[in-house]
Amino acid sequence: DTGVSQDPRHKITKRGQNVTFRCDPISEHNRLYWYRQTLGQGPEFLTYFQNEAQLEKSRLLSDRFSAERPKGSFSTLEIQRTEQGDSAMYLCASSPDRGFGYTFGSGTRLTVV
Amino acid sequence: GENVEQHPSTLSVQEGDSAVIKCTYSDSASNYFPWYKQELGKGSQLIIDIRSNVGEKKDQRIAVTLNKTAKHFSLHITETQPEDSAVYFCAARAAGNKLTFGGGTRVLVKP
Repeated sequence: DTGVSQDPRHKITKRGQNVTFRCDPISEHNRLYWYRQTLGQGPEFLTYFQNEAQLEKSRLLSDRFSAERPKGSFSTLEIQRTEQGDSAMYLCASSPDRGFGYTFGSGTRLTVV
Repeated sequence: GENVEQHPSTLSVQEGDSAVIKCTYSDSASNYFPWYKQELGKGSQLIIDIRSNVGEKKDQRIAVTLNKTAKHFSLHITETQPEDSAVYFCAARAAGNKLTFGGGTRVLVKP
């Protein structure tokens, strides 16, 4: 296991289209997080899973956003009806049960044109 | 909720000199403070972290100090090298498990 994997690395989409990103965490990690980062800013929390349960969602996660972790392993983040303001780097991280030692993936860069 | 402020936003140092980045946090319940190094194409790498029951932690040229009373923590990089050039982010974890990040510091080490 080499770390947290995210796919795709880059995504360009037209406004109004739906996109889905995938995250594969470190296999021993029960906790999985999604963050969003815009240029010149630090990552902002979107949502968090403990195994398959989504335990917390940020108010940044509008109803156009949905995240799943159906079997407690990989997770998907879907954005429906994308807007230009959704353009950002979407980061996934995982951590062991005690929540220390987050490991981040390289991110998916979304550009909405 | 938690709020993390990070200073400076940019830092230019001569190779071999030390670099210091400071962060303050607002939630006294925060108990975990990691630092990440972000480089283009390499994602965010955890370089050091500290828990609230410890005042200082060192790993080779990197050290972190925590002052819980003042609610601030700092990253110290000694004997800087060109490969230390990157964007550094501090973060704090309060109640729940999410990290709240500072705005980042772009460090440039001049040879």
